[in-house]
Amino acid sequence: AQSVTQLGSHVSVSEGALVLLRCNYSSSVPPYLFWYVQYPNQGLQLLLKYTSAATLVKGINGFEAEFKKSETSFHLTKPSAHMSDAAEYFCAVSEGNRDDKIIFGKGTRLHILP
Amino acid sequence: ETGVTQTPRHLVMGMTNKKSLKCEQHLGHNAMYWYKQSAKKPLELMFVYSLEERVENNSVPSRFSPECPNSSHLFLHLHTLQPEDSALYLCASSQRSFRQGAYEQYFGPGTRLTVT
Repeated sequence: AQSVTQLGSHVSVSEGALVLLRCNYSSSVPPYLFWYVQYPNQGLQLLLKYTSAATLVKGINGFEAEFKKSETSFHLTKPSAHMSDAAEYFCAVSEGNRDDKIIFGKGTRLHILP
Repeated sequence: ETGVTQTPRHLVMGMTNKKSLKCEQHLGHNAMYWYKQSAKKPLELMFVYSLEERVENNSVPSRFSPECPNSSHLFLHLHTLQPEDSALYLCASSQRSFRQGAYEQYFGPGTRLTVT
């Protein structure tokens, strides 16, 4: 069965600094991986997804994530944090079968310091 | 309307009340989901409907009753809830296929439920 671990329930970075949110996955087959963002009082919004086409995936709002099979990781990065990036971020994994579901991590709340 | 909409956005109900949450997707998808999001707990998948047939029910108490009258609409009927049922209830939809693939889900804004 697949699973996702997000390291750090809270991460704080200064405005303009590098954002790094960590995600490790477990899957018995080549996985499909996702990052979602949730702003206060809103639902989850898809940031980016990995579908095996390329290991470096670019998403919206300047975020990107790199799939590293040897490390079973899919960390999310952004070169320069903006105040508007403050939100909760969820990593998720799916095995891509027709009846399969997406397994979400517990989330990492990103705080941006002025 | 675009995407996935949910009504109401906020709901306060007593433990003896009966209420319903509504979700509508405008994306032409064929699968819909209910999730529960509580503080300090991961997203909990409650129900999955695929082609209007319930395909998953994750040991959810019977006081939660889903209904999917067509591929665009999903309801969650609530009755005799408990205070611990207070949470954000999220609806999502996706386009499932018979082929293997990445079926990302699109979420609504949620209904913030408070049980008093």
